[in-house]
Amino acid sequence: GENVEQHPSTLSVQEGDSAVIKCTYSDSASNYFPWYKQELGKRPQLIIDIRSNVGEKKDQRIAVTLNKTAKHFSLHITETQPEDSAVYFCAALYYGGATNKLIFGTGTLLAVQP
Amino acid sequence: DAGITQSPRHKVTETGTPVTLRCHQTENHRYMYWYRQDPGHGLRLIHYSYGVKDTDKGEVSDGYSVSRSKTEDFLLTLESATSSQTSVYFCAISELAGGGTDTQYFGPGTRLTVL
Repeated sequence: GENVEQHPSTLSVQEGDSAVIKCTYSDSASNYFPWYKQELGKRPQLIIDIRSNVGEKKDQRIAVTLNKTAKHFSLHITETQPEDSAVYFCAALYYGGATNKLIFGTGTLLAVQP
Repeated sequence: DAGITQSPRHKVTETGTPVTLRCHQTENHRYMYWYRQDPGHGLRLIHYSYGVKDTDKGEVSDGYSVSRSKTEDFLLTLESATSSQTSVYFCAISELAGGGTDTQYFGPGTRLTVL
């Protein structure tokens, strides 16, 4: 069935280091992959997304890469800062039913140590 | 934040009682979703709506029902709450569906505890 796997479940880095979170998806027809950031007690918020017609997208310190052949995509955060500490969720868009549906990964808790 | 509110924000109830959660949007978006969030499971889709009075099931719909009588409101009902339904519930909205993107914007969440 439709599935998104996300790794690692927790990640601790030193301030200034880079962080990488990886996701794999099962439906080769998926063509939209958003990433959400959720701070403690807050709602998930979209930080970056990528469509299948591009391999990489960058927005300041964050970037997302997509490998459609291997069906995996990754979030890269450079020069991490304490305010990057949060749970990050990847998702993949699946088609079917009356609308498309996002299937989410299980989340990565990122801790940036000052 | 998109114009999405949820009520109540916190609720404690007892097993077997009915519970209704409300999602209200001011964006006039067509699509609305209910998710539950549990540790180790991420966000799982309960039900969604693709228009007034048009709803369908998600991956964890057992024990839940929904209704949408107006564009701006999407109600989630637990007919007889169980302890396994203790969770944080998020509503989300989106405008586009069917090809292209499906950017979803989330409400602030409702923390439900079933004793």
